[in-house]
Formats: sequence, C-alpha cells, structure tokens
Amino acid sequence: GQSLEQPSEVTAVEGAIVQINCTYQTSGFYGLSWYQQHDGGAPTFLSYNGLDGLEETGRFSSFLSRSDSYGYLLLQELQMKDSASYFCANSGGYQKVTFGTGTKLQVIP
Amino acid sequence: DAGVTQSPTHLIKTRGQQVTLRCSPKSGHDTVSWYQQALGQGPQFIFQYYEEEERQRGNFPDRFSGHQFPNYSSELNVNALLLGDSALYLCASSFSRTGVGYTFGSGTRLTVV
Repeated sequence: GQSLEQPSEVTAVEGAIVQINCTYQTSGFYGLSWYQQHDGGAPTFLSYNGLDGLEETGRFSSFLSRSDSYGYLLLQELQMKDSASYFCANSGGYQKVTFGTGTKLQVIP
Repeated sequence: DAGVTQSPTHLIKTRGQQVTLRCSPKSGHDTVSWYQQALGQGPQFIFQYYEEEERQRGNFPDRFSGHQFPNYSSELNVNALLLGDSALYLCASSFSRTGVGYTFGSGTRLTVV
C-alpha cells in the first residue's frame, strides 16, 4: 500500500522559516495534502497539491514534485502557536486518504 | 455551521467487550471516513461510508464494523476489544467521497484495560 515518510521531529525558532519534507511511494499516488494537529486536537486541513509546483496560503506554502516523489510544507514567520504535528497525506479523487508518519514541530522563543 | 461531532469523547472498556462510537458529519457532507490514531503516529484508515454502504476498507480485522444512516451520521463498532485497540478514533467527513479537504472531529479516546 501507499506509504509516506516524514522526519519525526523538527525544532525551529519563532519568526524563522521551517520546511517539513514528505517522500512517498509513486504506486497509487494521487495528490498531496497537509494537515495540522495540535496535541489533543483534531487534524485540520492546510493545503492540497494536485499538480506539481507551489501552492501558497498565507504563511503556509506547499510544494509537490511528482518526478522526485517528494513534497514539502513551508511555514514562514513561525509563531508559537504553530507548534503541532504536521501530516502529509496521499489524497484526491475517490481513493482513501493515507496519512504519513507525521512531524512534530516545536517552535522555540 | 457545526463541524464534525463525535461521541463520546472518552471511553474506558474492558478487554473482550464491545464498543460503539458515533459521528455526525459536517453540514452538507455525505461521506464519513474513520481513522485510528495511536499515540505519536499518523491516522490509520479503517473504512469509508457513502450512501449507507462501506466503500473502502483499510487493513483492519472484521472486529471493526460500521454503519451509515440516512442522515449521513455513522457508527463505528469494535467487538472483542483488545488492549491494542486503545487509541484515538477519528471521524472525517467530506462531500461526495472527495479525498481533499477532510473535516475531522476531535475524536474519541478509547482505553481498553
């Protein structure tokens, strides 16, 4: 089945920029979504890349390269409230949504 | 506009018992997907319901079953509970089986003792 790999933890300084990477198996891949989940909370949808390239939504941007089986989430002007877990997910069309291993982001002052 | 509502929020059950979890999707959504999330891991797909039928299923045993009602709400049933079933169970809703932009509920924390 589809699997998506992410770094387990990332630490970054408040106000800085951080990139969270996601690599995936090409078999069964449709598109790449990103979700944020605070401790004890529900995952919330951040962005979707159906095509190669960059998608920008405020402080968050997401990138997809199908030729490299790779994507990333870029968070700019980091705030303390951005401390959370971030999941990439294979999604799109009518297939089941498969989530990655997750990256725990810690923002420090 | 109410989002996804799950009940109960927490539950403690004994090994071997049965449990039923409930989910009301976001207004306007007709598709419900269930996920199991162990601590520190990503959500694992259990199954998806659309038009009152199970449309897709993940790698979970038959002890996990579900149902969708005409009002699009859904139940997840787990029989013969094992200690390993302890997890956060998440319900996600969407429209017409689209896999983009799921709306998740806050989940039910199930503890099996």
